[in-house]
Amino acid sequence: GAVVSQHPSRVICKSGTSVKIECRSLDFQATTMFWYRQFPKQSLMLMATSNEGSKATYEQGVEKDKFLINHASLTLSTLTVTSAHPEDSSFYICSAPQGANEKLFFGSGTQLSVL
Amino acid sequence: QKEVEQDPGPLSVPEGAIVSLNCTYSNSAFQYFMWYRQYSRKGPELLMYTYSSGNKEDGRFTAQVDKSSKYISLFIRDSQPSDSATYLCAMAGGYQKVTFGTGTKLQVIP
Repeated sequence: GAVVSQHPSRVICKSGTSVKIECRSLDFQATTMFWYRQFPKQSLMLMATSNEGSKATYEQGVEKDKFLINHASLTLSTLTVTSAHPEDSSFYICSAPQGANEKLFFGSGTQLSVL
Repeated sequence: QKEVEQDPGPLSVPEGAIVSLNCTYSNSAFQYFMWYRQYSRKGPELLMYTYSSGNKEDGRFTAQVDKSSKYISLFIRDSQPSDSATYLCAMAGGYQKVTFGTGTKLQVIP
């Protein structure tokens, strides 16, 4: 299957700092990527759809200014959590479709802990 | 009513058992059905992808779709301790984004 690389796998930061998470499609091009958030023992919650060369589309209730998404190339999307607070602590996962729009391949996830 | 319902488990079985994981859905527009395996603190891994009613087999895994009953299943034969993970069903169709079930946690005991 297709490979999606996500970095870092884990980050611990102080409250008020910004954190950038990278998502790369390694062996295919992705005009669209998806960012999810997952709380313990819960399913994936779609945060936003990242579109190459245009603005991201955010799901209802997700703050655009808090979660900045940039999709500058066909293989790279970044999620920046700005001015992170403890309530932003969560597991963030990206995905990209390959072969079909609904056939998603996921990165390994990033565990964010904000102190 | 949620669009996708999945028994959260946990499900505990002895090694070698046949495991049956199930999801029901309410949206008739769904036409693509996936199963993902997620190990703790890792991203989900695509196991099975299908778009037609009936069975699809891949090694020890069989995905079954019954569109008339809006019911999908994943069967795991000869389960192994390495199969211990959370299994997520997922569906898509029409202009809908992929919708995930809440996941079933499976433990295979040696």
